[in-house]
Amino acid sequence: GAVVSQHPSWVICKSGTSVKIECRSLDFQATTMFWYRQFPKQSLMLMATSNEGSKATYEQGVEKDKFLINHASLTLSTLTVTSAHPEDSSFYICSVGGRGDEDIQYFGAGTRLSVL
Amino acid sequence: KNEVEQSPQNLTAQEGEFITINCSYSVGISALHWLQQHPGGGIVSLFMLSSGKKKHGRLIATINIQEKHSSLHITASHPRDSAVYICAVRDGNKLVFGAGTILRVKS
Repeated sequence: GAVVSQHPSWVICKSGTSVKIECRSLDFQATTMFWYRQFPKQSLMLMATSNEGSKATYEQGVEKDKFLINHASLTLSTLTVTSAHPEDSSFYICSVGGRGDEDIQYFGAGTRLSVL
Repeated sequence: KNEVEQSPQNLTAQEGEFITINCSYSVGISALHWLQQHPGGGIVSLFMLSSGKKKHGRLIATINIQEKHSSLHITASHPRDSAVYICAVRDGNKLVFGAGTILRVKS
């Protein structure tokens, strides 16, 4: 079964509204989760590392006030795209790190955001 | 120059063919991942390698740390193998991704 649940899988919103995406670790407690963005025909780009109980670490060029990350529990991280604009339309994916020495990454199914 | 380079970018194969996808990287790494992304977007982790070779069903992944190169092989390819295959290297706490190889297997 799925290790990581991401919701919603698809969202359409009007420009100026905010959208929240949830990433849940179903099988184990995750102190760290990762948020990626993928443009069409391009590979994944790491946006930020979500740390349980502390502030997220954002990659260079990613606006932290635009992409709010909350990791309030060991099983849930949320990404909120604030005041969304059409250029924010993209595919957003979360992942959870592996357990022990396995270091396998488990990915959510992704959220396709379309901002009108 | 990208830190992780994959080749080929696109690959079309006939069902049953042996397929090889290559990945070269320039950064020092602790591990290399091969991922599979289906048209709907979902990503599955196929392998995590730090040395040698791993096999899972019809998939084989190898890595040469000295040459900074890894290959993903698919034996007896099937149309359901059609997907984007992505190489990602672990650099510290982060994964750095290749651009992906779009594989299409025709029946």
